[in-house]
Amino acid sequence: QVQLQESGPGLVKPSGTLSLTCAVSGGSISSSNWWSWVRQPPGKGLEWIGEIYHSGSTNYNPSLKSRVTISVDKSKNQFSLKLSSVTAADTAVYYCARATVIPPSLHYTDAFDIWGQGTMVTVSS
Amino acid sequence: DIQMTQSPSTLSASVGDRVTITCRASQSISSWLAWYQQKPGKAPKLLIYKASSLESGVPSRFSGSGSGTEFTLTISSLQPDDFATYYCQQYNSYSRALTFGGGTKVEIK
Repeated sequence: QVQLQESGPGLVKPSGTLSLTCAVSGGSISSSNWWSWVRQPPGKGLEWIGEIYHSGSTNYNPSLKSRVTISVDKSKNQFSLKLSSVTAADTAVYYCARATVIPPSLHYTDAFDIWGQGTMVTVSS
Repeated sequence: DIQMTQSPSTLSASVGDRVTITCRASQSISSWLAWYQQKPGKAPKLLIYKASSLESGVPSRFSGSGSGTEFTLTISSLQPDDFATYYCQQYNSYSRALTFGGGTKVEIK
């Protein structure tokens, strides 16, 4: 059974860079899945940040694209999120999630069937 | 980007009630719609994918319908464990920019 676990600093200073990692266990990050980051500000709804395939292909939310980098480390079976120039508006619970590819095209996936437990990140000085 | 609009934002209901939540897409998304349930402090849980397919292990009182731009999630007989917030999500758009609806909180009446 695949499990996802987020990790990273819980506090980031304004104008700094938020960095999180999602460790994949019980399966390979090189399987046919897109790996995503989703966030949820306190008391608010869900916002998709972006995704990565093990080849390194990425797609990002247009509203965050200029500040987001998602990368994959196949040797560690994990993927990472970097969000630059953060402000208080970036305070949120950050989740990683999996979407399985529907063959034959890499463009089409199923919905998010596996999620991490989430990690709270606060942007404050 | 494709915008997803859920209604109502809050719903008060009693155990045993039939509950319906609506989700509208700003353009056609075929059947590429999912429904999630989220409880406080927990990650979302997939209930329905491809508009009407029930995720394994999800009770059959949950059902989804619709295609194009109009979708519904129905709970046929609300149970105590169902009080939660529900989100719709479109996926597999041309741009692969995934978006969620604003959520519907189902409260005890």
